Amino acid sequence: QVQLKESGPGLVQPSQTLSLTCTVSGFSLTSNSVHWVRQPPGKGLEWVGAIWSGGSTDYNSALKSRLSISRDTSKSQVFLKMNSLQTEDTAIYFCTGQLYYWGQGVMVTVSS
Amino acid sequence: DIQMTQSPSSLPASLGDRVTITCRASQDIGNYLRWFQQKPGKSPRLMIYGATNLANGVPSRFSGSRSGSDYSLTINSLESEDMAIYYCLQHNEYPPTFGSGTKLEIK
Repeated sequence: QVQLKESGPGLVQPSQTLSLTCTVSGFSLTSNSVHWVRQPPGKGLEWVGAIWSGGSTDYNSALKSRLSISRDTSKSQVFLKMNSLQTEDTAIYFCTGQLYYWGQGVMVTVSS
Repeated sequence: DIQMTQSPSSLPASLGDRVTITCRASQDIGNYLRWFQQKPGKSPRLMIYGATNLANGVPSRFSGSRSGSDYSLTINSLESEDMAIYYCLQHNEYPPTFGSGTKLEIK
């Protein structure tokens, strides 16, 4: 059974760096892609970026300068780091395997 | 980026109705189109992949179709558990882009 679970701080101060972890099970990171998708409160879904089975990455062009996605295959974990956070980055952040299997999401609030 | 124009944004309907939600792609996406259902406080659930294929465990009253650049999700005989927001997603070309969502609610 495929499972993905996001973890990270619920509150981040403006201009600081967000670090999230996606822990997967029943799913090989070397055979499948993992994507991050976010959803501001009451709004729609926005693709953030992805790490592919070979380890390469793609990012939303609007976020690319602030974003980094990496992984540790030995721990079945994928990491998202986004710097210079602003209030508009407040959202639920989902990790998703192949845009097919989804984690429960983690709410991130950017506020002082 | 490919734009996915989803309509309607809101769809009041009665139990037992047949309803259709549509996404129009700004460029050719082939059949790289998925439909997701999202209920309040929950993550999106895949309903349809490859434009027309039912995902595992999805009731047969759901179906997907394509006509040119228009992709549709149809729900036959609406049930109360179907009330949710539905999103389309194109993943033919990166970045993947979502439609703006359709809120299906009881009339």
